Order: sequence, then C-alpha cells, then structure tokens
Amino acid sequence: NAGVTQTPKFQVLKTGQSMTLQCAQDMNHNSMYWYRQDPGMGLRLIYYSASEGTTDKGEVPNGYNVSRLNKREFSLRLESAAPSQTSVYFCASRQGATNEKLFFGSGTQLSVL
Amino acid sequence: GENVEQHPSTLSVQEGDSAVIKCTYSDSASNYFPWYKQELGKRPQLIIDIRSNVGEKKDQRIAVTLNKTAKHFSLHITETQPEDSAVYFCAARLSGNTPLVFGKGTRLSVIA
Repeated sequence: NAGVTQTPKFQVLKTGQSMTLQCAQDMNHNSMYWYRQDPGMGLRLIYYSASEGTTDKGEVPNGYNVSRLNKREFSLRLESAAPSQTSVYFCASRQGATNEKLFFGSGTQLSVL
Repeated sequence: GENVEQHPSTLSVQEGDSAVIKCTYSDSASNYFPWYKQELGKRPQLIIDIRSNVGEKKDQRIAVTLNKTAKHFSLHITETQPEDSAVYFCAARLSGNTPLVFGKGTRLSVIA
C-alpha cells in the first residue's frame, strides 16, 4: 500500500497561473482533506470531502476549488495563483466514523512568484 | 466553530528531561483529541489520541491528559531523546464527519 500519494512534490508558479494538485489514497478511506501549512500558523483546512460525492469548505477556502473525482482521488485547483498561496499543501484521508486516524501525504511545496 | 490554542510555540529541554505541551479548545461538544508529530521535512503522523470519556492515556514515554471541565488537554513526554525533536500539533474534533481543527504547533528541541 502506498497510502496517500500527492503530486507534484514541488511547484513554482507565476502570479495568475493555474494548477491542480493531485491526491490519491489506496486505503479505501471515505473522507479526504486538503490542508495548507504556513510557518507559525499550523495546519489550516482548505476543503474536505466527508464522503464520495460531497465537498465542503474549510477555514481558508478562498482562491481554491476541489473535486472528489471518485473515492480514491481528491484534487485541489488554484485557478489564478497569488503569492499569498505560497505554502506547503498536505492531502490527508481518514477511514471514517470507525477509525479516527488521519493519514497525510508527503506534501507539495508551492511557491508563487 | 471549534478553536484550538496551543502553548508554548517553542520549547527547549535537555535530553532526559520531561516536556509538556498544553492545548485548550473552545467547543465543549468536542470529543476527540489527537496529537501529531511532524519531523523536519516530513508529513505529520499521529502519535497518541484520547477521547472525552477518558482522562489519561499512556504509550511508553508519551502520555496525554484531558480535563473536560477546563477544556484543556496536554501532551507529556518523559525521558526526552534527540529523536523527539519535532513540531507537535494538538487537534480537536466534534463527533461525526466534522474535520479536525489543529493548534498552531510547538517546536520541541531536545538538546543532547
């Protein structure tokens, strides 16, 4: 099992460019999440999908969109990147009500110039 | 919504000493409190968790205590080792499918 796989690992964008961060899990988890991590700010939730077919906003959703493509995949899209979106992005998944443990991907380091 | 405060933001201890990190939460309905450890350049990983029907939980050198009345919980690491150096995050969650809310993290440095 690979667990939670995120691509790419690193990305540099210019202001205004768009990109999609990909996330896939092979643990048959129901819930998936996107967090961003900034120095001194902890892990802040951008969007989440409690189950296949549903998505909800988190604490910092502005400037992002998500797609729960199927049970395995949950992508995060930046339509028009801004320097304030420079961050490390983590995807995570959780089995659901019977298992609380959150499994994280290895992260994407994104720089917007 | 839930708000989690974590203190201190940085902590330095001598190897072999104990370390304590404290968190408070705002929503008395929260019932699940995990702790995650993130080593430099790595992903966060769950190290211990506690539910609201338990006051204390231990796993070797780490323990978590919960005071529901005061709405705070703490991570205790005894006999610290250099490999304990990392950023530690507390979190809280309501029941059901609500997502975790994380504290801002504590950078622990264990000095050999």
